[in-house]
Amino acid sequence: AQSVAQPEDQVNVAEGNPLTVKCTYSVSGNPYLFWYVQYPNRGLQFLLKYITGDNLVKGSYGFEAEFNKSQTSFHLKKPSALVSDSALYFCAVRDSAGGYQKVTFGTGTKLQVIP
Amino acid sequence: EAGVTQFPSHSVIEKGQTVTLRCDPISGHDNLYWYRRVMGKEIKFLLHFVKESKQDESGMPNNRFLAERTGGTYSTLKVQPAELEDSGVYFCASSQVSGGQETQYFGPGTRLLVL
Repeated sequence: AQSVAQPEDQVNVAEGNPLTVKCTYSVSGNPYLFWYVQYPNRGLQFLLKYITGDNLVKGSYGFEAEFNKSQTSFHLKKPSALVSDSALYFCAVRDSAGGYQKVTFGTGTKLQVIP
Repeated sequence: EAGVTQFPSHSVIEKGQTVTLRCDPISGHDNLYWYRRVMGKEIKFLLHFVKESKQDESGMPNNRFLAERTGGTYSTLKVQPAELEDSGVYFCASSQVSGGQETQYFGPGTRLLVL
């Protein structure tokens, strides 16, 4: 069975500092990996995904994530945090095997950017 | 292009009552998913439609939940009778597979509170 772990319930970072939101995964085959963000009172918004190719994936709002196969991780990063980045972030994985594959989400990490 | 929409945004009902949630996917998307997030926990898969057919309903908690997608457009999720543990945020997502790849786009969610 596939799974996603987001070990931190909350991450606090000062505005302007780099941020990292951690995600590790477990899947039987090769993974497709996703990050979504949920702003207060809003739905989930797609940020970025890793399918294949370059391990460093760039997404919306200046976010990027690095796929590390040996560590089975897909940490979300941003060089300089903004107060407006404060939100709930979800990592998700699905198996890349052909046909229908279910997406599994993590429990979410609340990012608080402090002015 | 309009995104995924969900109605209502919030619902407060008493235990034993019935609630029907609606999801309108992005036009042309064959895949429609329902998910639920109970407070502080992961986003859990409920079921998946491909057009009007149920592809996977393995995540449905019990037979108090009934999902339909007549005509392969919008979908409804009915909870009857509602129990306290049904409280949470119900998300709908839609997608279209292109080149073997799929990204799910989420609606804003319906916040259900059962008292």
